[in-house]
Amino acid sequence: DAGITQSPRHKVTETGTPVTLRCHQTENHRYMYWYRQDPGHGLRLIHYSYGVKDTDKGEVSDGYSVSRSKTEDFLLTLESATSSQTSVYFCAISDPLDSLEQFFGPGTRLTVL
Amino acid sequence: KQEVTQIPAALSVPEGENLVLNCSFTDSAIYNLQWFRQDPGKGLTSLLLIQSSQREQTSGRLNASLDKSSGRSTLYIAASQPGDSATYLCAVLYTGNQFYFGTGTSLTVIP
Repeated sequence: DAGITQSPRHKVTETGTPVTLRCHQTENHRYMYWYRQDPGHGLRLIHYSYGVKDTDKGEVSDGYSVSRSKTEDFLLTLESATSSQTSVYFCAISDPLDSLEQFFGPGTRLTVL
Repeated sequence: KQEVTQIPAALSVPEGENLVLNCSFTDSAIYNLQWFRQDPGKGLTSLLLIQSSQREQTSGRLNASLDKSSGRSTLYIAASQPGDSATYLCAVLYTGNQFYFGTGTSLTVIP
């Protein structure tokens, strides 16, 4: 399995609080992605990164921000969590030298009360 | 918005049967297409990647085909086993580095 870890794996928080999810990779892949998975919607892209300090918005970016200060780490921040952000969040990596094949982390289950 | 559709949403087959899962997409200008498996409560596991220049890829009992002109990919599973029970997802990558996922086919293989 690709070396991708996510932390925390589970989190319960209250509406209005900030939340940061971390994705860490040991594969030195250039691209990193954050997705959310919800019943009936499948996987939807939140933000992605082409490299250090190089990020872009995905399909459902409102209410989320990201940062990538090192190749191996990609952080997803919910500035003020809302109940609609209750979801399972997945990090993924890929690299142009590997045909952009995506590999996924184990996921973080976030509940916003 | 690019659409990726997987039909059926759920499939139940007896052990040993060969089966085909379908994935259709609206735009033929794809870069690659990837099939994944997801077990309940787990992340996605990559099964096969087909690049736009390829027609098919094989791994063990799995064979994935790609027909860009018709906007379709199929995942063929030979001699199904109970351990194959999972949700199967396809994802299409277009230029612009955004993947678009189908909502998956939930497969149950009955012993």
